[in-house]
Amino acid sequence: DAGVIQSPRHEVTEMGQEVTLRCKPISGHNSLFWYRQTMMRGLELLIYFNNNVPIDDSGMPEDRFSAKMPNASFSTLKIQPSEPRDSAVYFCASSRGLAVGLRDNEQFFGPGTRLTVL
Amino acid sequence: QQQVKQSPQSLIVQKGGISIINCAYENTAFDYFPWYQQFPGKGPALLIAIRPDVSEKKEGRFTISFNKSAKQFSLHIMDSQPGDSATYFCAAVPSGGGADGLTFGKGTHLIIQP
Repeated sequence: DAGVIQSPRHEVTEMGQEVTLRCKPISGHNSLFWYRQTMMRGLELLIYFNNNVPIDDSGMPEDRFSAKMPNASFSTLKIQPSEPRDSAVYFCASSRGLAVGLRDNEQFFGPGTRLTVL
Repeated sequence: QQQVKQSPQSLIVQKGGISIINCAYENTAFDYFPWYQQFPGKGPALLIAIRPDVSEKKEGRFTISFNKSAKQFSLHIMDSQPGDSATYFCAAVPSGGGADGLTFGKGTHLIIQP
């Protein structure tokens, strides 16, 4: 299995531009997560899906952020308009189920997208 | 509010030495404590995890020590190797916790000097 695939790996954009990050979860995994990692705040859960349905988006910082999962093999995280403070590494992770700590529900992380907003 | 406090922020250990990373928590509802390892340019990966019904769990050179009364847990890396150089995150999950319950520490940047 190729693992969780994210694209692009690096994105540099200017303030005000729209940014779209993409994720392909591991085949057979029913849950998908979007995280943001910064030096100041560490790893933060932004939103997660189960069976393509958004379950909790309380971690999304602002209305400028939106996420979709149109099918079991693809998800996007969009920032519109982007701001310099959005600069971070964004990770997508997937798991078989939602209950962390149960056997077979380990979250597998992708390599991340490093976003720089100038 | 930082629910899981991790220290130190960075750590340098000589090859063959013992690396120790500490975490503390306040929420007594936490009942699952995983550690993640992250190499540069990669996402975090589950390394080892423990539940509070045991005080220690060992997998190879990696050991978690858990002190329920002190609400502290630590990761010990024995015979540390340069390949162990990475960022380590502790985390905690409350009982019955779903995906939103995974709370991470801020991370420890570990460097093993040859």
